[in-house]
Amino acid sequence: DSGVTQTPKHLITATGQRVTLRCSPRSGDLSVYWYQQSLDQGLQFLIHYYNGEERAKGNILERFSAQQFPDLHSELNLSSLELGDSALYFCASSHGRRPSGNTIYFGEGSWLTVV
Amino acid sequence: GENVEQHPSTLSVQEGDSAVIKCTYSDSASNYFPWYKQELGKGPQLIIDIRSNVGEKKDQRIAVTLNKTAKHFSLHITETQPEDSAVYFCAAPLLAGGTSYGKLTFGQGTILTVHP
Repeated sequence: DSGVTQTPKHLITATGQRVTLRCSPRSGDLSVYWYQQSLDQGLQFLIHYYNGEERAKGNILERFSAQQFPDLHSELNLSSLELGDSALYFCASSHGRRPSGNTIYFGEGSWLTVV
Repeated sequence: GENVEQHPSTLSVQEGDSAVIKCTYSDSASNYFPWYKQELGKGPQLIIDIRSNVGEKKDQRIAVTLNKTAKHFSLHITETQPEDSAVYFCAAPLLAGGTSYGKLTFGQGTILTVHP
């Protein structure tokens, strides 16, 4: 158990809908990262927050947004869902503000299926 | 562009043999190189990492080597066991793109199968 908690574990929704994925980082960790994992794209970095502020953005679609709250939990919002958004979404956390040299711990993922 | 290339994509070995997975990265400023193991239905788990001021690091049957000049690093697993079967990912914090915080970018993964 990495200490990173993600909910829900599984989610099935229809195209055009909106979903929210939730992440609680490890106790004491200030950084939260979101990754998307699909069979053909591997692990793709989406976004990084440190202590409530956005620090780096990757290949995140405009239909997707994220935020980190004062209690450090984070939410990833996915809207106008398309079939191609079906994937495993991982949240990860670390103590420091940079991915260099800080061990990043991954949650078990939220499996999203868009039908 | 910013990327991490990983090879091979699949690797099949007999129990007891060694396995080697190689990665190259594009950003010469990268200074931290972790390796993750992902088992079916689970999230990636860090198994070993190396910083740019070190050329090699070992932890029991696992070792990582780094060649900064050539911008490549490798994972070595000796005396492989069936429980080593998993997907292995290398990663590097690519700092290009106007951010000083870096994006931990992953290779495409290697499916390692260890046959008993």
